[in-house]
Amino acid sequence: GQNIDQPTEMTATEGAIVQINCTYQTSGFNGLFWYQQHAGEAPTFLSYNVLDGLEEKGRFSSFLSRSKGYSYLLLKELQMKDSASYLCAVKDSNYQLIWGAGTKLIIKP
Amino acid sequence: GAGVSQSPSNKVTEKGKDVELRCDPISGHTALYWYRQSLGQGLEFLIYFQGNSAPDKSGLPSDRFSAERTGGSVSTLTIQRTQQEDSAVYLCASSLGRLGSNEKLFFGSGTQLSVL
Repeated sequence: GQNIDQPTEMTATEGAIVQINCTYQTSGFNGLFWYQQHAGEAPTFLSYNVLDGLEEKGRFSSFLSRSKGYSYLLLKELQMKDSASYLCAVKDSNYQLIWGAGTKLIIKP
Repeated sequence: GAGVSQSPSNKVTEKGKDVELRCDPISGHTALYWYRQSLGQGLEFLIYFQGNSAPDKSGLPSDRFSAERTGGSVSTLTIQRTQQEDSAVYLCASSLGRLGSNEKLFFGSGTQLSVL
């Protein structure tokens, strides 16, 4: 079966750095997405990786290793507004999106 | 419209009643998805529409669930004879519909369905 694994919850301190990991086992691979979802709101797009390596976008970076079935989202200079759930999703060989359960990130002052 | 619009934002119904949830995607987006999200859970795929192609209904949990997309735009998700386990947030998303690209999904704010 297809599976996306992420930690359920993480806690970090304002101003610090946090890395949220995602491992996947899917039928084929056509890209990996990270979405942010604040409580009670819709998910919003953060990043997309299809080739190995690091994609940097401001305070957020996303890394992919296809051989390891592994990605991480790196958040730097954490702000209180970064408290949210972070969803990892993979497009399989049929271009269907397979979603992880999300990682709830709690930022403490 | 400027974004994906869903209505109602909240729906409380009694067990056994039928409900209709509406989604108005971004203008020009040919792909439309319905997802269900239970508290603390990931997104559960329900159904996918792409242009004039037959919809992918593989995620619908039972025959009580159905969806239509009229004129390639607005979509309605209907749940018949609702059960308490149907209580969840129902999210709609749309995209340009280009398979294989890095296109992202744009989500609506969802409908919180509560079945008493």
